[in-house]
Amino acid sequence: DTAVSQTPKYLVTQMGNDKSIKCEQNLGHDTMYWYKQDSKKFLKIMFSYNNKELIINETVPNRFSPKSPDKAHLNLHINSLELGDSAVYFCASSATRDLSYEQYFGPGTRLTVT
Amino acid sequence: GDSVTQMEGPVTLSEEAFLTINCTYTATGYPSLFWYVQYPGEGLQLLLKATKADDKGSNKGFEATYRKETTSFHLEKGSVQVSDSAVYFCALSDPWGGATNKLIFGTGTLLAVQP
Repeated sequence: DTAVSQTPKYLVTQMGNDKSIKCEQNLGHDTMYWYKQDSKKFLKIMFSYNNKELIINETVPNRFSPKSPDKAHLNLHINSLELGDSAVYFCASSATRDLSYEQYFGPGTRLTVT
Repeated sequence: GDSVTQMEGPVTLSEEAFLTINCTYTATGYPSLFWYVQYPGEGLQLLLKATKADDKGSNKGFEATYRKETTSFHLEKGSVQVSDSAVYFCALSDPWGGATNKLIFGTGTLLAVQP
């Protein structure tokens, strides 16, 4: 069974379009995250939700809007896509009760903006 | 703020060679430390972790010891295989230092193992 899943795996779109990426976890975790990996493989957190509440918002343009309909899902909507948004986006989850804060990652969504 | 520094890659080794990838950190609290691995075209997998000073994390022949005195968490393996070729990320989570529970990553080190 897949623990953290993301759809789509690949997304190719044109500048100016609006797109969404979906994430689901079946681990019973209460915290979910979005990370961005740039072309140099550098990983940086974008958002985090705990029990559907936004707890981390790291200097991300407001064209990016996360939504968490329930604890098992965290979606990322991006408006007016720009070339610089091309990256791999990873969803992750963790359990607050796990004091090591180990995070489980999804397979990633490779977004290409042309 | 909290940060992670790891050695620049790529690291190119022959099969069965000894591997060390250096990682040092800066943290205000008491972080947990992680090594994640990313195989080509795949997502991140946790390789090993340590949650307090002097803990040793180990998995698949890889080891790393949490050294508070040198603020380091170096990754080692005694004999690498071609299948170990991947990008390795050192990371920390420092909830007690005000970083909540986000992971802060190093820049990643590409390991290429040749037969």
